[in-house]
Amino acid sequence: NAGVTQTPKFRILKIGQSMTLQCTQDMNHNYMYWYRQDPGMGLKLIYYSVGAGITDKGEVPNGYNVSRSTTEDFPLRLELAAPSQTSVYFCASSYGSREGNEQFFGPGTRLTVL
Amino acid sequence: DQQVKQNSPSLSVQEGRISILNCDYTNSMFDYFLWYKKYPAEGPTFLISISSIKDKNEDGRFTVFLNKSAKHLSLHIVPSQPGDSAVYFCAASAPNTGKLIFGQGTTLQVKP
Repeated sequence: NAGVTQTPKFRILKIGQSMTLQCTQDMNHNYMYWYRQDPGMGLKLIYYSVGAGITDKGEVPNGYNVSRSTTEDFPLRLELAAPSQTSVYFCASSYGSREGNEQFFGPGTRLTVL
Repeated sequence: DQQVKQNSPSLSVQEGRISILNCDYTNSMFDYFLWYKKYPAEGPTFLISISSIKDKNEDGRFTVFLNKSAKHLSLHIVPSQPGDSAVYFCAASAPNTGKLIFGQGTTLQVKP
């Protein structure tokens, strides 16, 4: 059981470039999430999904897009990278409706936009 | 407006002593509260949770206390160990949404 995996681990982008952050989970969780963590701040929710084909905006969705074509995968797309998107990105998954909603996190992707 | 706050950015304690990490929240509708631990270059990992209908939950060296009237919870680690040195995040579960709201985190350093 690999849990939640994320690729790449690190990436440097130039302003205006695009990229996709990959996220896969093998726990058959319905709910998946994308967060960003800036220095000294907590995790801010970017987008989340309650099942294949269903996505919704979180607290900070601007500049990002997501899709959920399968239960396992939840990629995050940056279309026109900006320095403000320099952050560490975490993908997570959970059963969602179970009490406590414990979320399982991937190891993160450290993105720098120059 | 931040719904979950951890007002202490850092805490330093001696090995063997008690560590107390604090968290305040504003929304009385939160139904669960969770603590996560995060080491550098890793994702957060779940530590312990508490339902809003309880006031205490214990798991080994870790105990979480909830004071609903004060909208305050705390995580006690006894005894503290150097391996406990990490960033600790408090999170609150918004009912029927599947979402967690996170605090800013507290960096705990346990000195040998």
